[in-house]
Amino acid sequence: DQQVKQNSPSLSVQEGRISILNCDYTNSMFDYFLWYKKYPAEGPTFLISISSIKDKNEDGRFTVFLNKSAKHLSLHIVPSQPGDSAVYFCAAPNSGGGADGLTFGKGTHLIIQP
Amino acid sequence: KAGVTQTPRYLIKTRGQQVTLSCSPISGHRSVSWYQQTPGQGLQFLFEYFSETQRNKGNFPGRFSGRQFSNSRSEMNVSTLELGDSALYLCASSTHGVRTDTQYFGPGTRLTVL
Repeated sequence: DQQVKQNSPSLSVQEGRISILNCDYTNSMFDYFLWYKKYPAEGPTFLISISSIKDKNEDGRFTVFLNKSAKHLSLHIVPSQPGDSAVYFCAAPNSGGGADGLTFGKGTHLIIQP
Repeated sequence: KAGVTQTPRYLIKTRGQQVTLSCSPISGHRSVSWYQQTPGQGLQFLFEYFSETQRNKGNFPGRFSGRQFSNSRSEMNVSTLELGDSALYLCASSTHGVRTDTQYFGPGTRLTVL
């Protein structure tokens, strides 16, 4: 039972254009979401997060949008740069409290083409 | 500040053996979480330790165990290895836990079971 789903295993975008990565979730108890970026042979790196009390959070070129009614979030990267080529994971804390781990989606491999 | 370190980086074992992986968190971080990454299942939460106590455990068999020392360093042990245990094992640290703080991941230990 996959509670966090990233339905696009890969995405190819031209440099300078917008990259949109999508994530759906099924657990309505999730109230905090994170995006991580992973390069080969490295651990995931935190990118940006959003609380369910917001519908948008922006940090430089990265913006995350949350649509609670649709149980959907998306990460926008504008403009896309070659260094953005990586695997992106959407994640949510398992439940309330500080003790639980993260549930991850399976990731989307973003490829930025020159 | 030094990042999360994991040793060894690569390991080859045979079925039936046991293995111990080590994780040194960022200085000052008391929460250490372990994750397993496989192509089929993605990133899955194993367990989390805080101040030498296991606070939560994911859905893995008892062959997977861990501990945390007073200096916050953590070890993960897998006994009676199976072929399906071949994976990248990632460790992440944070000050208090996933809800309140960003988790920082190490580069992982690549375990191959033959």
